[in-house]
Amino acid sequence: DGGITQSPKYLFRKEGQNVTLSCEQNLNHDAMYWYRQDPGQGLRLIYYSQIVNDFQKGDIAEGYSVSREKKESFPLTVTSAQKNPTAFYLCASRRSVAYNEQFFGPGTRLTVL
Amino acid sequence: SQQGEEDPQALSIQEGENATMNCSYKTSINNLQWYRQNSGRGLVHLILIRSNEREKHSGRLRVTLDTSKKSSSLLITASRAADTASYFCATPRGGGSQGNLIFGKGTKLSVKP
Repeated sequence: DGGITQSPKYLFRKEGQNVTLSCEQNLNHDAMYWYRQDPGQGLRLIYYSQIVNDFQKGDIAEGYSVSREKKESFPLTVTSAQKNPTAFYLCASRRSVAYNEQFFGPGTRLTVL
Repeated sequence: SQQGEEDPQALSIQEGENATMNCSYKTSINNLQWYRQNSGRGLVHLILIRSNEREKHSGRLRVTLDTSKKSSSLLITASRAADTASYFCATPRGGGSQGNLIFGKGTKLSVKP
């Protein structure tokens, strides 16, 4: 059963804590993405990776960090420097530069208490 | 930066009616995609239309693209309660060579049984 998995589905964090959101894909896709979605808003790009061991900042990278040590994994860390981290986080992948469609995971809802 | 803007922001119709959503964008593109998002879930790719296509069909979906007006429309015919979701258009960012997408804020469709 191929696809993208994200965990956990819901995450609660106290202010000042770092948390890591998991994203795994078994589609053998080259590129992976992290988006943030706020209520009534579209998706905003946080970070993306076109290839293993390389990643680029998106539009709202401040307060976030990522790694891409394996092709199938692209974890996102929300650091204490992110001032307003409460949001819905979506991970996506794309087969390669020759393909346009992105495949999305089910999302993680992060709430800061 | 916002590339695609959907209109209307919200749409409420009865089952069996047609639903039309529009997307306007600002710069030249080589393709435009539509995605669907059920509440609290990830996005699902619906259809891609290329700049040299004027119309494309997929089941009950019909997408048009007018590059002279920089606009696209998504028509869902004979809507069902299960079509209730948010619909987003997405356009390539920066010429599309890296495959990054810019998403609009979406149209929230409610189909009443």
